[in-house]
Amino acid sequence: AAGVIQSPRHLIKEKRETATLKCYPIPRHDTVYWYQQGPGQDPQFLISFYEKMQSDKGSIPDRFSAQQFSDYHSELNMSSLELGDSALYFCASSPFLGENTEAFFGQGTRLTVV
Amino acid sequence: AQSVSQHNHHVILSEAASLELGCNYSYGGTVNLFWYVQYPGQHLQLLLKYFSGDPLVKGIKGFEAEFIKSKFSFNLRKPSVQWSDTAEYFCAVTLPFMDTGRRALTFGSGTRLQVQP
Repeated sequence: AAGVIQSPRHLIKEKRETATLKCYPIPRHDTVYWYQQGPGQDPQFLISFYEKMQSDKGSIPDRFSAQQFSDYHSELNMSSLELGDSALYFCASSPFLGENTEAFFGQGTRLTVV
Repeated sequence: AQSVSQHNHHVILSEAASLELGCNYSYGGTVNLFWYVQYPGQHLQLLLKYFSGDPLVKGIKGFEAEFIKSKFSFNLRKPSVQWSDTAEYFCAVTLPFMDTGRRALTFGSGTRLQVQP
């Protein structure tokens, strides 16, 4: 079965550079979520999209932006990178996350800022 | 504020010992509940989930969890742990956003389990 695909799997950037992370959801899933997991931390919700429109925002810094495209893939754009942005970034997709549905996670992109 | 709490931050057990990890959430409405495992440097893997019905759910790798609605709890258990169970365990709950009503997973802070051979 198709899963959530994230690219790249690993990314190394320097401070003040920009990074773009991509997420390809499971076909027919209309909702995408982005999470950030710092070292030794729990995953923190950043932002979600439903039917290509921003749905909810969590603890996403102003330096970050995201969008969902017509084919439902999503990109997380990160500018002016800081050392503290080093983390594992997860994308998840689901059908509308109401009752009795679950989100499926990708394998994550590990971003290292040096 | 709606939240998910895991009270055991670091648990050390010997092989064959029994495991119980606590998870509590604060929300009075209907929730879906999940436990995920994360091996070092790896992604999240779903252990088990509860949507409705029998409050005792069985998952992969011999794990089970019990939903006690009156206690807002969803504790994870395993009768006999193995060295290979060494990992981080996250409880997660689908909680609604106050303004949109749409849901996203909210994670607990995680429990690091270390199983000694």
